[in-house]
Amino acid sequence: KQEVTQIPAALSVPEGENLVLNCSFTDSAIYNLQWFRQDPGKGLTSLLLIQSSQREQTSGRLNASLDKSSGRSTLYIAASQPGDSATYLCAVKGSAGGTSYGKLTFGQGTILTVHP
Amino acid sequence: DAMVIQNPRYQVTQFGKPVTLSCSQTLNHNVMYWYQQKSSQAPKLLFHYYDKDFNNEADTPDNFQSRRPNTSFCFLDIRSPGLGDAAMYLCATSGRKSNQPQHFGDGTRLSIL
Repeated sequence: KQEVTQIPAALSVPEGENLVLNCSFTDSAIYNLQWFRQDPGKGLTSLLLIQSSQREQTSGRLNASLDKSSGRSTLYIAASQPGDSATYLCAVKGSAGGTSYGKLTFGQGTILTVHP
Repeated sequence: DAMVIQNPRYQVTQFGKPVTLSCSQTLNHNVMYWYQQKSSQAPKLLFHYYDKDFNNEADTPDNFQSRRPNTSFCFLDIRSPGLGDAAMYLCATSGRKSNQPQHFGDGTRLSIL
């Protein structure tokens, strides 16, 4: 069964700092990995999607990398702002031959707080 | 914009009183999912529809049912809600191809009195 772990569980940084969120998964049989943002009491907003054949994706100040063979992904946020404060979740979609075919398995999330 | 829309945003029901949550989509996606997310936990998949084919997760309680009358709409029915069913319920959609992303609605926060 696929397991996804996110480190750290919580992170507090001053505004302007660059930061890295980590995600690891146990089964490398995946179609893709998605990073989501969740504001308190809200649904999930998709930030970046990396297909299994890709190494990274960028959107504005966000850059996500994927090393499928080692089961790791990072989300890099440049020049953090107070508006970036939220919970960040990573999720992997299992592919054929894996333990979680077709299913999205989520990590527990990293709670990010950016202080002004 | 094409979207996944969940109604209502907040739902309060009494212990044991049936409740229905609604999800609609304008993305014309084949697959629709229902997740349960309890406080400070990861979303947990309850079931999904691939077109009209219903796929239930092995550990989803019998208390939870779903209906998909057409491509655009999907409903989550909780027949006899217990206190442990209080949670955020998230609907998501995706296209037919396995490598496509899932798009989520804003969720319905369910409270049980």
